[in-house]
Amino acid sequence: EAAVTQSPRNKVTVTGGNVTLSCRQTNSHNYMYWYRQDTGHGLRLIHYSYGAGNLQIGDVPDGYKATRTTQEDFFLLLELASPSQTSLYFCASSGSRDRENSDYTFGSGTRLLVI
Amino acid sequence: GDKVKQSPSALSLQEGTNSALRCNFSIAATTVQWFLQNPRGSLINLFYLVPGTKENGRLKSTFNSKESYSTLHIRDAQLEDSGTYFCAAETGGYKVVFGSGTRLLVSP
Repeated sequence: EAAVTQSPRNKVTVTGGNVTLSCRQTNSHNYMYWYRQDTGHGLRLIHYSYGAGNLQIGDVPDGYKATRTTQEDFFLLLELASPSQTSLYFCASSGSRDRENSDYTFGSGTRLLVI
Repeated sequence: GDKVKQSPSALSLQEGTNSALRCNFSIAATTVQWFLQNPRGSLINLFYLVPGTKENGRLKSTFNSKESYSTLHIRDAQLEDSGTYFCAAETGGYKVVFGSGTRLLVSP
């Protein structure tokens, strides 16, 4: 079954620490997205990609890097984590835009705590 | 300001009643999606819309691109409809931007 798998599910790090969040999709989708979800803000787009090696900047990119190593894998990197980056992070993938129905698929989320 | 503004931010309904959620866009949306985040946190696709209307069971959604809004109508609300509803607009370049959500609680 097609899926988006995020790891880890939970992560605690210290301020200034280095964190990598992983996302793998088996949907054969071209597009992948990283969002953060915070109370009162909904889901905010951090970075997205439309293929291996491609990276697009979202609405809240500061403090985050991302890398799309393959069609399946999209990583979010926090090189100097700060408490303001404590959040619930979602990865999503989607396929062709020539479709009648959405194939937008979310992972289960990664909860990050920066202390 | 918010590019995708949802209203209301929270809503309480009794079982069996009807209601409507709304999204207003300050960006040029080409398509709109509606999602439900259930109490366990999972995000579920409800609708994908080009300008027009779709219906699925007790849910009906409309996207009016000329007036930059979308609505989600819930008919005969059930307890399992509780959760947070998000709309998301796709703009040029395949960027998908979400609203802040509407928290819905359906009570017996």
